[in-house]
Amino acid sequence: DAGVIQSPRHEVTEMGQEVTLRCKPISGHNSLFWYRQTMMRGLELLIYFNNNVPIDDSGMPEDRFSAKMPNASFSTLKIQPSEPRDSAVYFCASSPRGGTSGVETQYFGPGTRLLVL
Amino acid sequence: SQKIEQNSEALNIQEGKTATLTCNYTNYSPAYLQWYRQDPGRGPVFLLLIRENEKEKRKERLKVTFDTTLKQSLFHITASQPADSATYLCALSYPGEKLTFGTGTRLTIIP
Repeated sequence: DAGVIQSPRHEVTEMGQEVTLRCKPISGHNSLFWYRQTMMRGLELLIYFNNNVPIDDSGMPEDRFSAKMPNASFSTLKIQPSEPRDSAVYFCASSPRGGTSGVETQYFGPGTRLLVL
Repeated sequence: SQKIEQNSEALNIQEGKTATLTCNYTNYSPAYLQWYRQDPGRGPVFLLLIRENEKEKRKERLKVTFDTTLKQSLFHITASQPADSATYLCALSYPGEKLTFGTGTRLTIIP
């Protein structure tokens, strides 16, 4: 299995531009998570989906952030307009079962390193 | 809200010694506690999960303990090797709630 796939791996953009991050979860996994990691705040959950339905988006920082999962094999995280404070590493993770039973392991992708100038 | 503290940002250990990392939490005890390893430029990788009714869990050179009285988990790597150098994250979870991660401890094993 190729694991969780994310693209792009690196993104440099200018403030105000739209940024779209992409994720392909592990086949057969029911849950998908988007995280943001910074030195100051560590790993923060932004949103998670179960069976393609958004369950908890309380971690999404602002209306500038939006996420979709149109099917079981693809999800996007969009930032519009982007700001310098959005600079971080964004991870996508997937899990075999429902996202909040507590015991499921999460499998992380390699991350997208975003720099907003 | 739950607060998670990992004892130090960085820890240096001599090769062959046991490395011990600490994860402390406030408020109520989690049902499950997980440990992940993260290498530079990569996503976290799951290592071990321990339940609140378990005192200890082992996997090869790794050992995790869970003390709900002290609200603490200890993560041990015995006979440490330079290849064990990485950032280690603890994460707490409760049924019906999302996984919450600590900020991590960067471990360096010195040859």
